[in-house]
Amino acid sequence: DAGITQSPRHKVTETGTPVTLRCHQTENHRYMYWYRQDPGHGLRLIHYSYGVKDTDKGEVSDGYSVSRSKTEDFLLTLESATSSQTSVYFCAIASGGSYNEQFFGPGTRLTVL
Amino acid sequence: GDSVTQMEGPVTLSEEAFLTINCTYTATGYPSLFWYVQYPGEGLQLLLKATKADDKGSNKGFEATYRKETTSFHLEKGSVQVSDSAVYFCALGRLNSGNTPLVFGKGTRLSVIA
Repeated sequence: DAGITQSPRHKVTETGTPVTLRCHQTENHRYMYWYRQDPGHGLRLIHYSYGVKDTDKGEVSDGYSVSRSKTEDFLLTLESATSSQTSVYFCAIASGGSYNEQFFGPGTRLTVL
Repeated sequence: GDSVTQMEGPVTLSEEAFLTINCTYTATGYPSLFWYVQYPGEGLQLLLKATKADDKGSNKGFEATYRKETTSFHLEKGSVQVSDSAVYFCALGRLNSGNTPLVFGKGTRLSVIA
């Protein structure tokens, strides 16, 4: 199994509070991704990174920011959480090699009250 | 742009039944194709993959063949087990291009009953 951890695994917070989710990898992969998973929507890409300090937006980036100061860590921040951001968040990594398959972390369940 | 369409679920089967989950794609050129599986409470795991036309990916009794003429990558298993109950995602990617994230279908939930 790819070495990917996410923290916290579960979090309950209140509307308007900032929240930071962490993804940590031990594979030294170049590419990292944040997705959210909601019923009826499947997986939707929030942001991704193609190197330290190099990031780009996905299809649902509004209300989210990311940072990557080290290869192994990719942080997702909700500046001011809203109830619509209640979701399960998954981090994924990829080496960018020939197959370009992605490997996923275990997920973080976030509830915004 | 690239897109993936897979059959909507849920799909409910009896143990030992034959499984087919349809997946079609829209893309230019020659994408790589994947099936991922998500067991309850877990992240997605890569199930199988194929990178060129007529390639067959296989794993754990599941198979899928990359059909360029029909732009399809249907997932099949000859005899499902209760332990196969999960959500299955079809995905499309680009070779040697980590800068292009995978495009996922919406997922198909499979329930297998004993």
